Amino acid sequence: GAGVSQSPRYKVTKRGQDVTLRCDPISSHATLYWYQQALGQGPEFLTYFNYEAQPDKSGLPSDRFSAERPEGSISTLTIQRTEQRDSAMYRCASSMRTSDKTQYFGPGTRLLVL
Amino acid sequence: DAKTTQPNSMESNEEEPVHLPCNHSTISGTDYIHWYRQLPSQGPEYVIHGLTSNVNNRMASLAIAEDRKSSTLILHRATLRDAAVYYCILGFGNEKLTFGTGTRLTIIP
Repeated sequence: GAGVSQSPRYKVTKRGQDVTLRCDPISSHATLYWYQQALGQGPEFLTYFNYEAQPDKSGLPSDRFSAERPEGSISTLTIQRTEQRDSAMYRCASSMRTSDKTQYFGPGTRLLVL
Repeated sequence: DAKTTQPNSMESNEEEPVHLPCNHSTISGTDYIHWYRQLPSQGPEYVIHGLTSNVNNRMASLAIAEDRKSSTLILHRATLRDAAVYYCILGFGNEKLTFGTGTRLTIIP
């Protein structure tokens, strides 16, 4: 595709429910990143993938958060048993390869946990 | 991670140059200096990056101090569309980006 796409763009859920967010990176981009952005703050790193491998998940705030990229293209971020503090914008980015120094960001998914 | 320091906010007049400073006194020898910006209600957008030499592209210029402890992003002729939060980030670039709070740039028509 022309750019990074994310779905849904908005998600409202009740506390305790599970949610899954999807990221479709730029075609052929090897590396995919997830960030969380609270209102008025800069994005904060969650995790990233090189193809299917997930070398760094140090930013995931708890074991309720997990991410997958089983075929090295589309990725999902799942939050189990959502809490109100999980409300944020979730941003996905991709880059061509591990040596590429430019990350291309998607429009984000706004998550609201009631 | 090496830390960067940026002013919280800056203002500039439309059609004038803008110089956005960034201090990074603990930068390591392998850290690149990256600039991203985030326009209102959009995702971050890459602007420019450099290692030691000054860099130019169609969006901006990056001036890097000789000791690499500071750098300046230069927008040559600001337009209203350049109003955004500008982030100065250190690192190799292919792993996590640490955004910080950035500089909110306001353009005055």
